Amino acid sequence: EAQVTQNPRYLITVTGKKLTVTCSQNMNHEYMSWYRQDPGLGLRQIYYSMNVEVTDKGDVPEGYKVSRKEKRNFPLILESPSPNQTSLYFCASSPISPIREQFFGPGTRLTVL
Amino acid sequence: DAKTTQPNSMESNEEEPVHLPCNHSTISGTDYIHWYRQLPSQGPEYVIHGLTSNVNNRMASLAIAEDRKSSTLILHRATLRDAAVYYCILRALFNAGGTSYGKLTFGQGTILTVHP
Repeated sequence: EAQVTQNPRYLITVTGKKLTVTCSQNMNHEYMSWYRQDPGLGLRQIYYSMNVEVTDKGDVPEGYKVSRKEKRNFPLILESPSPNQTSLYFCASSPISPIREQFFGPGTRLTVL
Repeated sequence: DAKTTQPNSMESNEEEPVHLPCNHSTISGTDYIHWYRQLPSQGPEYVIHGLTSNVNNRMASLAIAEDRKSSTLILHRATLRDAAVYYCILRALFNAGGTSYGKLTFGQGTILTVHP
């Protein structure tokens, strides 16, 4: 089944404790992206990747890192999480063409205490 | 970046058509108009996209104004399952003006409520 998977689905952590949220897709998509969703603010793009080793900032990249060493994986790294990073995170992938649809993962709900 | 403007919320009755508007007055000639929707407790899912001509698929229709400064997503017969947040976004066909076509702005979307 074609899908985007995220792990973990739920995470409660404390301020300053480094964490990684994994994202993996099995559709051989070149493009991958991370979003965060907060009440009243909609979906906001954090980082995106056009292909392996090619990443760029979205609208809200502060406090996050990403890497794209393999085509199928695009982990989101929070080196020192803070409470304002408490949010619902979505990973998405698509073929490189901008006219193709994005497929979204199920989301990761992160709480930083 | 070209941005979109949508009403915060709309309501409809089941079995009736729904017209969800989107304004994108700064759209460039190579921007595609995409619509996604997000059902409760799920990730967004693709609905439809278009460039200039009206488009139909099994989920919905997309009507694009002649000047492309606005578009309307049409659900022909709303069902309770169509209750969701609907997002209208623009995707550039290629990098232009320093903006990568990988950068996307979703905005807040329109919350659609469907009444039985």
